[in-house]
Amino acid sequence: ETGVTQSPTHLIKTRGQQVTLRCSSQSGHNTVSWYQQALGQGPQFIFQYYREEENGRGNFPPRFSGLQFPNYSSELNVNALELDDSALYLCASSLDGFNNEQFFGPGTRLTVL
Amino acid sequence: AQKITQTQPGMFVQEKEAVTLDCTYDTSDQSYGLFWYKQPSSGEMIFLIYQGSYDEQNATEGRYSLNFQKARKSANLVISASQLGDSAMYFCARPSGGSYIPTFGRGTSLIVHP
Repeated sequence: ETGVTQSPTHLIKTRGQQVTLRCSSQSGHNTVSWYQQALGQGPQFIFQYYREEENGRGNFPPRFSGLQFPNYSSELNVNALELDDSALYLCASSLDGFNNEQFFGPGTRLTVL
Repeated sequence: AQKITQTQPGMFVQEKEAVTLDCTYDTSDQSYGLFWYKQPSSGEMIFLIYQGSYDEQNATEGRYSLNFQKARKSANLVISASQLGDSAMYFCARPSGGSYIPTFGRGTSLIVHP
């Protein structure tokens, strides 16, 4: 059974740039959730994709967008990067939405300069 | 919006002793259970334990147990026989709203010393 993987591990961007983060869900899972974890904080829910459709969204602006592919892997795109976007971005996969245990990936550390 | 409070920014415990990490929530909706996660310095969130709101007995998973007190809106994590590898950040999380979106607390840093 393959666990949740994320790429890249680390990323450095400058303000105004765009970034794409990737997540491969655990085998058999059809749901991917994305979280932003700023330093010293708990993760904050960005959005969730279930069977390629957005299935819930947290309090993040539209420049945070996502995609889920037929194999249930997912991308998080952030446009017009701001300094406050610097954080650890975690994805979590699960089966059938929020009602089941989520398995987290190792995260992508994004630094915006 | 629901607020999850972890009042202990940092905790220290001696190896082999038990430690209790606090977590409270502020909503009156008692429909949802509560999760605890461990986050080592590597960054990955590791699921530890979950208890549903209608479970009558407190959940246990190996050395982890959950002390869920709905009347007090608290769900504390008890780690028995602490090990050096237990040193990490610990987060509690609880779903809210009809879509079950989880809200996380700010975490408690646990350090186990020999």
